[in-house]
Amino acid sequence: EVQLVESGGGLVQPGGSLRLSCAASGFTFSSYEMSWVRQAPGKGLEWVSFISNSGSIIYYADSVKGRFTISRDNAKSSLYLQLNSLRAEDTAVYYCVGQWLLQRFDQWGQGTLVTVSS
Amino acid sequence: QSALTQPRSVSGSPGQSVTISCTGTSSDVGGYKYVSWYQHHPGKAPKLMIYDVTKRPSGVPDRFSGSKSGNTASLTISGLQADDEADYYCCSFAGVSTWLFGGGTKLTVL
Repeated sequence: EVQLVESGGGLVQPGGSLRLSCAASGFTFSSYEMSWVRQAPGKGLEWVSFISNSGSIIYYADSVKGRFTISRDNAKSSLYLQLNSLRAEDTAVYYCVGQWLLQRFDQWGQGTLVTVSS
Repeated sequence: QSALTQPRSVSGSPGQSVTISCTGTSSDVGGYKYVSWYQHHPGKAPKLMIYDVTKRPSGVPDRFSGSKSGNTASLTISGLQADDEADYYCCSFAGVSTWLFGGGTKLTVL
């Protein structure tokens, strides 16, 4: 069974940092592209960042460029998102998502909540 | 780039059909055949329902169908069931390095 399990969310002050992790199982992690997608309270989904299967190609949404860093460890079947210089508007549930094909989001985790507040 | 435009809510009775629209621009929905739809029951993981405008992943009932005309894509759910009540999001590939989602539509089964 394919599983994506996020962790690392929590309460952080504005300007602070957090590192999200996503543990993958049930599929060959190193063969697939991955993304992070978030959902702010009462809002819609927003794509945040993409990483290719090898980690050599990385993209970010303009809203997080320069503040967030995506990475992966294929040996550990894990995806990461380093969140720096956090703002109140970064408050959201962050989902780890597997992309079996580039143009779609096939497998989603349950999400981890990040709350940015003083 | 702005989010894709969806109606905030739609409703229908069991057995009826409903259609959810998703409007973008020629740079996203209208420019690519890569529109996908996701069903999200609050508190659960979103689920891929339609990809490449019209295709259904294995396991998704054929009551769910997708289409596109110009800059507007649509998701139609026929034979509404109680479990279809959820939030639905459209998404379009918008060129190298960008994916755009819609604001979401809450489907209520009356």
